[in-house]
Amino acid sequence: GEDVEQSLFLSVREGDSSVINCTYTDSSSTYLYWYKQEPGAGLQLLTYIFSNMDMKQDQRLTVLLNKKDKHLSLRIADTQTGDSAIYFCAEIGAGNTPLVFGKGTRLSVIA
Amino acid sequence: DTEVTQTPKHLVMGMTNKKSLKCEQHMGHRAMYWYKQKAKKPPELMFVYSYEKLSINESVPSRFSPECPNSSLLNLHLHALQPEDSALYLCASSQVTGSHGYTFGSGTRLTVV
Repeated sequence: GEDVEQSLFLSVREGDSSVINCTYTDSSSTYLYWYKQEPGAGLQLLTYIFSNMDMKQDQRLTVLLNKKDKHLSLRIADTQTGDSAIYFCAEIGAGNTPLVFGKGTRLSVIA
Repeated sequence: DTEVTQTPKHLVMGMTNKKSLKCEQHMGHRAMYWYKQKAKKPPELMFVYSYEKLSINESVPSRFSPECPNSSLLNLHLHALQPEDSALYLCASSQVTGSHGYTFGSGTRLTVV
């Protein structure tokens, strides 16, 4: 599959905003996703964005998509200790290609 | 029913054992997937079934053998595994291959001793 890149670690203070970034290489991606995985747990779908959108907001979560630069970001407002987890971006390309995950960003929230 | 159910949740097996992982969905999805996730790594695609036929095998060793007996069930048969095969095995389904709206199971955590 296509490579999906993320920075590996992010540390923020409780109450601050977190921004997790992702770059992808498949310009024909149709849907892009953010998943959360807490230690020892399965995958939780947080949010997604369709490729013809620039932005999507869902409560504390804001997703920005820059198709020109193939850049996706997830902003978490008022970050809480319960947000500590690994966050994976993932994409579905055109031509019925299966879901491909980025390497994941470990978010640590400091109280 | 909007879930993917995986059993067992945990499995410990020896290198000479034969075991099977099971996955079930009743959403009418015609694509089902097996992903393998090592600790602190992203899920990696192993197999894709489309309309009960194997459509993608990502060069997975033959000690992993998938089976799709019907449109609701997906099995992964395990034989002669190695300790490095210890991982979280995730099953997922979607309407058709590559369609929006994957549903993931909670996974089977496998330990090979």
